[in-house]
Amino acid sequence: RKEVEQDPGPFNVPEGATVAFNCTYSNSASQSFFWYRQDCRKEPKLLMSVYSSGNEDGRFTAQLNRASQYISLLIRDSKLSDSATYLCVVTRNDYKLSFGAGTTVTVRA
Amino acid sequence: NAGVTQTPKFRVLKTGQSMTLLCAQDMNHEYMYWYRQDPGMGLRLIHYSVGEGTTAKGEVPDGYNVSRLKKQNFLLGLESAAPSQTSVYFCASSIDWGETQYFGPGTRLLVL
Repeated sequence: RKEVEQDPGPFNVPEGATVAFNCTYSNSASQSFFWYRQDCRKEPKLLMSVYSSGNEDGRFTAQLNRASQYISLLIRDSKLSDSATYLCVVTRNDYKLSFGAGTTVTVRA
Repeated sequence: NAGVTQTPKFRVLKTGQSMTLLCAQDMNHEYMYWYRQDPGMGLRLIHYSVGEGTTAKGEVPDGYNVSRLKKQNFLLGLESAAPSQTSVYFCASSIDWGETQYFGPGTRLLVL
């Protein structure tokens, strides 16, 4: 079983829509969680960290569910510029980290 | 403030050739990482470093070597390139383990 799994999508949504997707992780000792955004042929860039209590950054909301071992990302009021691949990252304190393969989101006009 | 830079941006090698990829960061970060990204597989950690003079193996270290002689530089070497090493290589750095990673623009490597 992979350490981190994501639904690859693609999620094809109209502008203004809400889209949400999850990232599941297999090791309960995982400590830090992040969402990165990667545009085509570019490097990943941090979108947001994921905190235990959940956190919001503008139109983006991240949640952590330790009991079910997944993190989620919700994008409200989608913009064309939100089209990208979203990568989740999970790290452990024993110097292990894993990236998900990414969820592709396409926002159409 | 350039952040993380990588050289070269693109390279074509023949099987058996060697090369070194250079990563440099100007953020005084202790931690540096080398990843490869292949279609459908996400980023996989090759090697990482927790500080100057240190290196450690990641998930897929075979066929690669690294060195961190200076804090700001992290070198990835391929001693004898194989077609299976065709990939996009990203370097990253962070202030600490489990903190935000800052990525370089990537190196596209094609091994024929």
